[in-house]
Amino acid sequence: SQTIHQWPATLVQPVGSPLSLECTVEGTSNPNLYWYRQAAGRGLQLLFYSVGIGQISSEVPQNLSASRPQDRQFILSSKKLLLSDSGFYLCAFGQSYNSPLHFGNGTRLTVT
Amino acid sequence: AQRVTQPEKLLSVFKGAPVELKCNYSYSGSPELFWYVQYSRQRLQLLLRHISRESIKGFTADLNKGETSFHLKKPFAQEEDSAMYYCALYNNAGNMLTFGGGTRLMVKP
Repeated sequence: SQTIHQWPATLVQPVGSPLSLECTVEGTSNPNLYWYRQAAGRGLQLLFYSVGIGQISSEVPQNLSASRPQDRQFILSSKKLLLSDSGFYLCAFGQSYNSPLHFGNGTRLTVT
Repeated sequence: AQRVTQPEKLLSVFKGAPVELKCNYSYSGSPELFWYVQYSRQRLQLLLRHISRESIKGFTADLNKGETSFHLKKPFAQEEDSAMYYCALYNNAGNMLTFGGGTRLMVKP
């Protein structure tokens, strides 16, 4: 069956430190992969999506970047975290065009 | 650019009352719309999609292209329906899903 794993579940990092959040998918090949940020009262904001290895589309200019080094691996990174990067980050995958997305459990990031 | 609007951040109803969560969209193409739900301490999950035309957990949603709406309805709310609900829309390429701001539904006993 298809599953998605996202870690860590919670993370506390100081301002200026680097960030790496990882997401992996099992049970499917060549999925569309997504990073969203969920903020209270503002819904889900799409940050990045990828339709294939090495293909990254960015929706919001920001302090973050994404990479897809392998077919079922999606990484969210930052070289230097800002306070405003605090939030709840969700990884998701879709099997194909217009398919429903399946979400991970999310990572709560607190930048201090 | 596509946009999804959920005008109510919080909707509170009593058990057994009808509920309608509003969703309006702006999009130039043929919309592909979804409702997602997030129960407490659970991951975000698909509730229903408009092309399925099915009822899930008693919820239905009808696409109204004239009013550009996709409201979620249930005739008799249950306490277990309390959750965060998100409306979402795909772009023409079918690879970018845009979410609304979400509506928190609270069903009181």
